[in-house]
Amino acid sequence: AQSVTQLDSHVSVSEGTPVLLRCNYSSSYSPSLFWYVQHPNKGLQLLLKYTSAATLVKGINGFEAEFKKSETSFHLTKPSAHMSDAAEYFCVVNSRGSQGNLIFGKGTKLSVKP
Amino acid sequence: DTGVSQNPRHKITKRGQNVTFRCDPISEHNRLYWYRQTLGQGPEFLTYFQNEAQLEKSRLLSDRFSAERPKGSFSTLEIQRTEQGDSAMYLCASSWTSGAYNEQFFGPGTRLTVL
Repeated sequence: AQSVTQLDSHVSVSEGTPVLLRCNYSSSYSPSLFWYVQHPNKGLQLLLKYTSAATLVKGINGFEAEFKKSETSFHLTKPSAHMSDAAEYFCVVNSRGSQGNLIFGKGTKLSVKP
Repeated sequence: DTGVSQNPRHKITKRGQNVTFRCDPISEHNRLYWYRQTLGQGPEFLTYFQNEAQLEKSRLLSDRFSAERPKGSFSTLEIQRTEQGDSAMYLCASSWTSGAYNEQFFGPGTRLTVL
């Protein structure tokens, strides 16, 4: 069965410092992995996706993630945090390779201090 | 804007009442998904349609829940005899099965509060 585990429920960084949000996955298939962001009172927005092409995936707003099969990880990073990055971030795996429903982690709340 | 829309955005009801939510997907998308998100948790899958056919239902979808997608366009989710445990954000997403991967686009959600 497919699953994701987000290792931190809350991460706090200062503006201008790097961001690291950790995610481990478990999948019987070659996984499709995603990071979604949810700002307060707004819908879920896709940040980036991994679909078995390049292992380093670039997304919107300067975020990127690296797929590491040996470590079953898909951590999200950004070199320099901005105040507008404060939000809830979800690591997500597709339930059946590329065509199933999405399975979400519990989320990591990112706080950015001025 | 031609994104996914959901109505109403907020619904407050009393325990035991029936409620119905509507989702309008992106027009060319053939798949439509319903998820539920409770406070402090990630969204959980409820059910999905491909065109008008309901292809999968999660164990979370009790007999009090029913979803329809007549004509393969908009979808409705009805909850009968609501319970306080039904209080949650109900999210709708749509996608196009291109054979590559299934990128789902989410609506803003309907927040249900059962008193």
